[in-house]
Amino acid sequence: EAGVAQSPRYKIIEKRQSVAFWCNPISGHATLYWYQQILGQGPKLLIQFQNNGVVDDSQLPKDRFSAERLKGVDSTLKIQPAKLEDSAVYLCASSLDGTDNQPQHFGDGTRLSIL
Amino acid sequence: AQSVAQPEDQVNVAEGNPLTVKCTYSVSGNPYLFWYVQYPNRGLQFLLKYITGDNLVKGSYGFEAEFNKSQTSFHLKKPSALVSDSALYFCAVRDMGWDSNYQLIWGAGTKLIIKP
Repeated sequence: EAGVAQSPRYKIIEKRQSVAFWCNPISGHATLYWYQQILGQGPKLLIQFQNNGVVDDSQLPKDRFSAERLKGVDSTLKIQPAKLEDSAVYLCASSLDGTDNQPQHFGDGTRLSIL
Repeated sequence: AQSVAQPEDQVNVAEGNPLTVKCTYSVSGNPYLFWYVQYPNRGLQFLLKYITGDNLVKGSYGFEAEFNKSQTSFHLKKPSALVSDSALYFCAVRDMGWDSNYQLIWGAGTKLIIKP
């Protein structure tokens, strides 16, 4: 099966600019996750979708970050305006149905550098 | 509070030797435990999980992990290391206690270096 697709792979922007990332999960996977991974740390969950509804966005900085999954398939994550501390790898993952024992399948991520 | 600890930032092992990457956890209820591996510039890949049943769990690439309830540990092991096993390894736990929010808690990762 095709894996989780993410684009772009790399992005360099200046602070205060905006940026968007795209994710296409594995076909048939109802649950989609966006993570932020800062160098040397484990992934931090930003938002979890079940189909097109938000399950958990408690760690999403809502003043600057937004995400949507309008048709329950693809998803976009946006940062506006970007800050220096947003430099990180943004990982998208999906799982079959979000059941607690299901593994998550990750894309290769988007590496964001803020100048 | 739920937490996961990977006490070693880096583990160095000679090729052919057994390897262990340590993980301990703290949860209020029963844990669901996972190991993932991350190769450079790649996303995380699922290796294995413990949900219930046999304490010794076998996973991908010859890895296994042992759930030890009394020591609240879930160490990752492999009998004979390969150079290609060099990567970053993450332990994660989900607290299934009745008062938990069921979020997946991630460790900080352990860099495994296998030397030829």
